[in-house]
Amino acid sequence: EAGVAQSPRYKIIEKRQSVAFWCNPISGHATLYWYQQILGQGPKLLIQFQNNGVVDDSQLPKDRFSAERLKGVDSTLKIQPAKLEDSAVYLCASSLDFGKTEAFFGQGTRLTVV
Amino acid sequence: SQQGEEDPQALSIQEGENATMNCSYKTSINNLQWYRQNSGRGLVHLILIRSNEREKHSGRLRVTLDTSKKSSSLLITASRAADTASYFCATDDRFSGGYNKLIFGAGTRLAVHP
Repeated sequence: EAGVAQSPRYKIIEKRQSVAFWCNPISGHATLYWYQQILGQGPKLLIQFQNNGVVDDSQLPKDRFSAERLKGVDSTLKIQPAKLEDSAVYLCASSLDFGKTEAFFGQGTRLTVV
Repeated sequence: SQQGEEDPQALSIQEGENATMNCSYKTSINNLQWYRQNSGRGLVHLILIRSNEREKHSGRLRVTLDTSKKSSSLLITASRAADTASYFCATDDRFSGGYNKLIFGAGTRLAVHP
């Protein structure tokens, strides 16, 4: 069974530039999560999709972050414009259903904003 | 917002010793999960315990759940150097609409020395 795929693995950008991350969840998983993990901290939920609908984005800085999940499968997370404090690892995860089963994580994208 | 809080923040032990990590949470849950994260990698699911369960075992792992105290503990017996990682508890935070958010704590950094 293929795992959660994320790309790119690493990205370095200057502040005020834009960046996009891509995630391909495990086939058949209805729930998709994007987390932000700052060094030394736990993952912070940014947005949660159930199929192609957003069920929670309360922690997503909507003035600069956006996310979509096309046809209930792949998802992209975009930051525009980036700030220094956006430097973090962005983790994508998927699960069969929301909160009731284990979540499978991708390797993450390490973003450095300089 | 963070649901679970792990204690201690860091733990250093010798190989062969047992490691105990605790997690406290704030709201009602359906289940509680524990994950491991090796440095620079994604999170890996270890074990899920449902709210009507009190104890669960998986290999060298033992998890307990006390819903009256809103707390859980993860015990790793006979630790090995390969157990060196960060360990996170995650709870499903119920909110309106019937969907559960998967919320992580700050984690415990475990170092097992040969």
